[in-house]
Amino acid sequence: SQQGEEDPQALSIQEGENATMNCSYKTSINNLQWYRQNSGRGLVHLILIRSNEREKHSGRLRVTLDTSKKSSSLLITASRAADTASYFCPYGGCGGKLIFGQGTTLQVKP
Amino acid sequence: DSGVTQTPKHLITATGQRVTLRCSPRSGDLSVYWYQQSLDQGLQFLIQYYNGEERAKGNILERFSAQQFPDLHSELNLSSLELGDSALYFCASSVAAQGRGYTFGSGTRLTVV
Repeated sequence: SQQGEEDPQALSIQEGENATMNCSYKTSINNLQWYRQNSGRGLVHLILIRSNEREKHSGRLRVTLDTSKKSSSLLITASRAADTASYFCPYGGCGGKLIFGQGTTLQVKP
Repeated sequence: DSGVTQTPKHLITATGQRVTLRCSPRSGDLSVYWYQQSLDQGLQFLIQYYNGEERAKGNILERFSAQQFPDLHSELNLSSLELGDSALYFCASSVAAQGRGYTFGSGTRLTVV
């Protein structure tokens, strides 16, 4: 499978805590992306990290990429109830299409 | 508003029928991608178009077809509908053919009864 596989499948934390979710993949990549999906809504692009980058920040988000381990992590700091959503890490190989895994469902309790 | 417009938002139809889902990509984006999201299969890539030409195909059934028109809007045609085709259908667009950040539409929820 070419898809990114997110771990854990589900995560429940209290507001204010940090949330970390991981992603593994199996083939070489050009880049890896993280998306958020609120229940039943469209996906929102959060961040893209290229294969020659190791870490990237965007607001309260921090993404790391380890190409030697074929893995990535997304850290959300100081989580809020509004961060409750599913998070996906598809990655781009040849051809441009992105293949999605099952995602991590994050619940942030107020 | 993401800039990607999908119509209709909701569609209820009977088995055996045919429907057309429409997608207008974000201004300037040449690539359009179609995805199907169901509870048991997750997000499945169906097909990609780039500037009017089919670029990649995924798990798209033979009963399904798509096209991208000269004005870059795209249509996904689903025929001989079955109960299992009930799902959310998303369209996404990006500026290039390569897998840069996608902009997703809000989806069409199809219910086959």
